[in-house]
Amino acid sequence: GNSVTQMEGPVTLSEEAFLTINCTYTATGYPSLFWYVQYPGEGLQLLLKATKADDKGSNKGFEATYRKETTSFHLEKGSVQVSDSAVYFCALSDQGEIIFGKGTRLHILP
Amino acid sequence: DVKVTQSSRYLVKRTGEKVFLECVQDMDHENMFWYRQDPGLGLRLIYFSYDVKMKEKGDIPEGYSVSREKKERFSLILESASTNQTSMYLCASSSLGAGGYDEQYFGPGTRLTVT
Repeated sequence: GNSVTQMEGPVTLSEEAFLTINCTYTATGYPSLFWYVQYPGEGLQLLLKATKADDKGSNKGFEATYRKETTSFHLEKGSVQVSDSAVYFCALSDQGEIIFGKGTRLHILP
Repeated sequence: DVKVTQSSRYLVKRTGEKVFLECVQDMDHENMFWYRQDPGLGLRLIYFSYDVKMKEKGDIPEGYSVSREKKERFSLILESASTNQTSMYLCASSSLGAGGYDEQYFGPGTRLTVT
């Protein structure tokens, strides 16, 4: 069946550090992949997505590349800011099913 | 600006009460979803709907029911609230994309406390 595994948090970094949040998936078909972000007290919002292998999604300085060979969709940002503190969810959509990872809480220290 | 709205941000109910959570989207999406979010458990799908009057059980439907009488509105009903239903409830909507469902748009959430 389909599944999403993302690294457990919390992740604590200093401002301007490099960020990687790992996400791997299993899927029976050809899924679309997503990263969502949830700021305190709010619902989830789409951060970026990729719909086929080798696609790179990007937004607000965040990037993730759909790697079919390693079944991964790792989230990266070159220089994080305090305002990036939030919970990040990796998700896939495949053949009528949507699966979310459990979320990774990110703390950025000034 | 696209929007999913939920009727309440915070709700406190007593055990045994019937509770209605309302969700409205303005994007003409076919698909709507109800999730609950609990610490350490992530998002869990309660019910979803792919068309008016259609509904499908998600992973944890027990103790819940839903209603979709109009395309833009999807209601979650707790028939007899219990303390283990204290949680954050998130509504979402989406259209269909290449891999199935396209990106989901979420409401701000309703934090329900059952005492």
